[in-house]
Amino acid sequence: GENVEQHPSTLSVQEGDSAVIKCTYSDSASNYFPWYKQELGKGPQLIIDIRSNVGEKKDQRIAVTLNKTAKHFSLHITETQPEDSAVYFCAARVYNFNKFYFGSGTKLNVKP
Amino acid sequence: KAGVTQTPRYLIKTRGQQVTLSCSPISGHRSVSWYQQTPGQGLQFLFEYFSETQRNKGNFPGRFSGRQFSNSRSEMNVSTLELGDSALYLCASSGRDSREGDSPLHFGNGTRLTVT
Repeated sequence: GENVEQHPSTLSVQEGDSAVIKCTYSDSASNYFPWYKQELGKGPQLIIDIRSNVGEKKDQRIAVTLNKTAKHFSLHITETQPEDSAVYFCAARVYNFNKFYFGSGTKLNVKP
Repeated sequence: KAGVTQTPRYLIKTRGQQVTLSCSPISGHRSVSWYQQTPGQGLQFLFEYFSETQRNKGNFPGRFSGRQFSNSRSEMNVSTLELGDSALYLCASSGRDSREGDSPLHFGNGTRLTVT
C-alpha cells in the first residue's frame, strides 16, 4: 500500500520567517494531496490541497508544491505568525479509493 | 453549515468492555470515514462508509466495527477493549462520491477514549 513519510518531525522558527515541511509518497497512483493543521484538542483542519495534475498552488501565506516524478510534495508557510503553531499533517489518496494515508506529522513552533 | 459532530468527547472504559462512538457528518455528505490517532502510530484508517455500505477497510482486528444509517450518521463500535485501544478516534466526512477529484476529509474534533 501507500507509504507517506514526512520531515521534519519538529520545526521551530522565528515569527516572520518561512517554514517548509516535506513529504514523500510511494504509490504513483496517488492523485490527491491535502495538508491538515491540527491544534490541541481539535481535529485536523484542511488548509490547502493539490491534485496530481497541478505543480503548485498558493493561498495567501500558504503554498504547496508537487513533484510527481520524484513523488514528493511540500508545504511552504511564509511570514509565520504565532497562531501558525500547531501540528501539520500531509496526506495522500490513491486514485479511486477514498482512503487517505497520512504522514507522521510536524510540530511547528513559531516563536514571537 | 455545521461541521462534523462527534459524541461523546471523552470516554473512560475498562479492559474487556465495549464502546460505541457516534458521528454526524456535514449535511449532504454521504461518505464517513473513521481514523485512529495515537502518538506512536499517527493517523490510521479504520474504515469508510458510503450509503450505508462499508466501502474500504483498514488493517484493524474484527473487534472494530462500524455502521452507517440512512441519514449518513455513523457509529463505530469497539468490543473487548484492550489497553492499546486508548486513542483519539476521529470521524471525517467528505462531500462527493467521486474518488477521483478534490474530496477532502472534513474532520470532527474526535472522541478521546481511555482504556484502564
